[in-house]
Amino acid sequence: DTAVSQTPKYLVTQMGNDKSIKCEQNLGHDTMYWYKQDSKKFLKIMFSYNNKELIINETVPNRFSPKSPDKAHLNLHINSLELGDSAVYFCASSDIEVPYNEQFFGPGTRLTVL
Amino acid sequence: GDSVTQMEGPVTLSEEAFLTINCTYTATGYPSLFWYVQYPGEGLQLLLKATKADDKGSNKGFEATYRKETTSFHLEKGSVQVSDSAVYFCALSPISSGSARQLTFGSGTQLTVLP
Repeated sequence: DTAVSQTPKYLVTQMGNDKSIKCEQNLGHDTMYWYKQDSKKFLKIMFSYNNKELIINETVPNRFSPKSPDKAHLNLHINSLELGDSAVYFCASSDIEVPYNEQFFGPGTRLTVL
Repeated sequence: GDSVTQMEGPVTLSEEAFLTINCTYTATGYPSLFWYVQYPGEGLQLLLKATKADDKGSNKGFEATYRKETTSFHLEKGSVQVSDSAVYFCALSPISSGSARQLTFGSGTQLTVLP
């Protein structure tokens, strides 16, 4: 049983295109996150949603727009892709009422912009 | 702001060697501390956690103790296996409930275990 799933696993596209990455969790969590992992493996938070409401919005270009249709889904849409957007994007989820904030991660989407 | 400083890699060990990966943190209050592991081509998996001072997290032979006095959470394993080859991330999160909190990660340490 997949807990946090992402599609697609790999995404190769040209500069200037628009693309979306989808994330779904079946853990019953109410909070979801997007992280970006760069080529040096460094992980950084991008966004967080709680019950479809944006909670964390780090300094990310406004070409990136998260959308949460319901609390089990958090999608990431990227407009006008740039070379620097190439990275692995991880979705995660957690239960906001659990004090120690254990997060469960998806398998990642490797985005390559040519 | 919060930060995590992790031992630079890569680390290469022979099978059955002793492993230590150092991790220190800076945070206000008393955060939760985690070690996540990322196997090649996969997402992050929680390896162990500790939620208060002097707690010891353990899993799969790995251990880490929450040391408030030294603000450290070093990862140790007495005898590594080839299957432990992965990237290890130290992370912290503020403790509270009812509000979303991000994980702050260290830079990751690549471990390679040779047979």
